[in-house]
Amino acid sequence: AQSVSQHNHHVILSEAASLELGCNYSYGGTVNLFWYVQYPGQHLQLLLKYFSGDPLVKGIKGFEAEFIKSKFSFNLRKPSVQWSDTAEYFCAVRGGGNKLTFGTGTQLKVEL
Amino acid sequence: GAVVSQHPSRVICKSGTSVKIECRSLDFQATTMFWYRQFPKKSLMLMATSNEGSKATYEQGVEKDKFLINHASLTLSTLTVTSAHPEDSSFYICSARAGYTFGSGTRLTVV
Repeated sequence: AQSVSQHNHHVILSEAASLELGCNYSYGGTVNLFWYVQYPGQHLQLLLKYFSGDPLVKGIKGFEAEFIKSKFSFNLRKPSVQWSDTAEYFCAVRGGGNKLTFGTGTQLKVEL
Repeated sequence: GAVVSQHPSRVICKSGTSVKIECRSLDFQATTMFWYRQFPKKSLMLMATSNEGSKATYEQGVEKDKFLINHASLTLSTLTVTSAHPEDSSFYICSARAGYTFGSGTRLTVV
């Protein structure tokens, strides 16, 4: 069975600070990895995804994530956060089939 | 881009009644849709996979008689919460295109 662990449940940063959100997964085979964002009152949106190839993936809004196979990790990063990045962030893994397994989410608050 | 429309966004119902939630793919055909439940402070849990023209596939622990799923056309899947109880209060989200597109969710409150 596949599982996802997000270590940070709540993160508070000041504008312009750098962001790194941790995500570790458990699955024995080939995986697809995703990061989603959910802004307050809005639906889930796909930030970026990794299927294969370059382990450093760039997504929308200046976010990127790095797949490190040896560590079973797919951490999300952004060099300089903005107040508008305040949202909840979910990491997800897809192993066999189309089933997505989500992490518990990280609530990010960016203060001015 | 591909859009999934989910209605209603919020619903309050009395215990014992049934509630239907609709999920429509607006500009594409979806042979498969996914229904998730999101508990407060917790992650999204996959409840079932709906398949157009055939029976839904339910995840372990999800009562198929309580959460009825119908996928009668390539653009519409419905989730009916039957004989709702307060513990069914939650945020329900549908998804299509295997993780690429999500509906805006339905906040169900059973009183």
